[in-house]
Amino acid sequence: EIVLTQSPGTLSLSPGERATLSCRASQSVSITYLAWYQQKPGQAPRLLIYGASTRATGIPDRFSGRGSGTDFTLTISRLEPEDVAVYYCQQYGSSVSTFGQGTRVEIK
Amino acid sequence: EVQLVESGGGLVQPGRSLKLSCIGSGFTFGDYAMTWVRQAPGKGLEWVGFIRSKNYGGAAEYAASVKGRFTISRDDSQTIAYLQMDSLQSEDTAVYYCTRGGDRNSWDPYFFDYWGQGTLVTVSS
Repeated sequence: EIVLTQSPGTLSLSPGERATLSCRASQSVSITYLAWYQQKPGQAPRLLIYGASTRATGIPDRFSGRGSGTDFTLTISRLEPEDVAVYYCQQYGSSVSTFGQGTRVEIK
Repeated sequence: EVQLVESGGGLVQPGRSLKLSCIGSGFTFGDYAMTWVRQAPGKGLEWVGFIRSKNYGGAAEYAASVKGRFTISRDDSQTIAYLQMDSLQSEDTAVYYCTRGGDRNSWDPYFFDYWGQGTLVTVSS
């Protein structure tokens, strides 16, 4: 089973700043099979990015994803108050999916 | 509009069973794999398992933590996915989400584009 490790655990930034979230895999992951989700307090998760870099429908272009192999990144180019949430990466391989433990993004 | 609505959660004693349902609407239910994901209170997301569409054989796959205790099934005529949970343990206490596989043309669901609001299962004596 591939383990995903996200860092940092918590990110505290001011509005307008750039947020960089990391997701590191214990084994290589196909870029096709890496996705990111946003979960706001009290809500279900929402798909942000799939295929490592493709934004889901309706996702603002300030969210972007990149990476390959074992290192993937989610970037929020200009942080807005509504981006306060926990962000999870997720991978699929050999009929099994796993999630990272999440990165909490806070506004200073 | 795509909608997924879970039901069937509640309080159950350790060792007992519970069956969750997920009704899908707004899309051709039978064309998509359906996945269950759970979240223990205050914790992160945990993949539980999925069931393929009949187009891809309709078989299910499970996480090691639930294999042999949980069974996922589907009734495409009713647009419902089920999660039968047997031999429940306190560690199964969580909100259970039903999700849709994002790529209808894929054998397995490798990302999840729509999520229900979840149903809470509490396992306690």
